[in-house]
Amino acid sequence: EVQVVESGGGLVQPGGSLRLSCAVSGIFFSNYWMSWVRQAPGKGLEWVANIKQDGSEKHFVDSVKGRFTMSRDNAKNSVYLEMNSLRDEDTAVYYCATGGGYDLIFENWGQGTLVTVSS
Amino acid sequence: QSALTQPASVSGSPGQSITISCTGTSSDVGSYNLVSWYQQHPGKAPKVIIYDVIKRPSGVSNRFSGSKSGNTASLTISGLQADDEADYYCCSYAGSITFVVFGGGTKLTVL
Repeated sequence: EVQVVESGGGLVQPGGSLRLSCAVSGIFFSNYWMSWVRQAPGKGLEWVANIKQDGSEKHFVDSVKGRFTMSRDNAKNSVYLEMNSLRDEDTAVYYCATGGGYDLIFENWGQGTLVTVSS
Repeated sequence: QSALTQPASVSGSPGQSITISCTGTSSDVGSYNLVSWYQQHPGKAPKVIIYDVIKRPSGVSNRFSGSKSGNTASLTISGLQADDEADYYCCSYAGSITFVVFGGGTKLTVL
């Protein structure tokens, strides 16, 4: 069984930083693109970022470029989302998902971690 | 990065069929057969139900089917059941710069 578990969410002030982690088990992790997708309260899904199997290629939605970075550690079966210069509009549940590379299939999802940006 | 356009809501009675449209542009839906659909029940994570426009992951009911014509993709659910009541999102590849766009979501109500 594939398990995807996010952690690291919480309350942060505008302009602050936060690092999300995502641990995956049940698959050969290093074979998969990995993605982050967020959902603001009461709103729809928004793709945030993805990273290739070896970390050599990454893509970000325009609204987070220059503020968010994504990395992975294949030895730990984990991906990370480093979020800086956080804004109110970054408030959302952040989901980690396997896939979401050029095949565009977000196959396995975690339960999400809530990030709240507020003073 | 504009979202794909979906109707805000659709409804149907048990046993009926409904179709949810997802309209994009020639830069996303119209150019690639890389459209996927996700079902999300309240408080739950999304679940993929269609990928590559028409393919179903193993374990997904054959009551769910996908199609595409031009810049518009569609999800059809036949034989509606109470458990189909959920939010549905389409998603498309949009080229190597924009990469991914999601639709705004459609709330399905089973009457």
